[in-house]
Amino acid sequence: AQRVTQPEKLLSVFKGAPVELKCNYSYSGSPELFWYVQYSRQRLQLLLRHISRESIKGFTADLNKGETSFHLKKPFAQEEDSAMYYCALSRTVIQGAQKLVFGQGTRLTINP
Amino acid sequence: DAGVTQSPTHLIKTRGQQVTLRCSPKSGHDTVSWYQQALGQGPQFIFQYYEEEERQRGNFPDRFSGHQFPNYSSELNVNALLLGDSALYLCASSLGTAQFFGPGTRLTVL
Repeated sequence: AQRVTQPEKLLSVFKGAPVELKCNYSYSGSPELFWYVQYSRQRLQLLLRHISRESIKGFTADLNKGETSFHLKKPFAQEEDSAMYYCALSRTVIQGAQKLVFGQGTRLTINP
Repeated sequence: DAGVTQSPTHLIKTRGQQVTLRCSPKSGHDTVSWYQQALGQGPQFIFQYYEEEERQRGNFPDRFSGHQFPNYSSELNVNALLLGDSALYLCASSLGTAQFFGPGTRLTVL
């Protein structure tokens, strides 16, 4: 069975401090991992995905298959980073989208 | 491109009624997935449509059904509504593996 765990429902850090949002998964096959973000009054939007290995808005995430983790990190938090963050997993396929399994989300608050 | 659009924005129904939610995918996208998001939870996969057929289905009862039209738009139907069906219903469209979400339809069942 596929499962995504985000152990922190709430995370509060000060502006300029490093941020790490934790995500652990369980899946027997080869997963594709995503981070989605939802800013206040906006729709859920894709932040990054592990296969693209890119940095978006200063955020990075590395897939650690040994620890089955995909933590989201940013070295210096900004107030505009305050949002709800969801980690999601799908089965890796050559083409086409597979169902996403989401974690419960972490609400990140950046204090001034 | 307005991206993924959904209608209506909000809906109030009573137990036992039936509801239809609509989704128009992002331009060029051929696959539509539906998710249910209960308050305080992450989205849960309901089903996915591709080439007008249900390709995958999550753990939802048969009361939840769907349809995809030749223009790739989609409908989600829920029969015999229960109080527990109150949630935000999200539609996501895709062409490759990344899914793009609509704003959702907030369904309240009284």
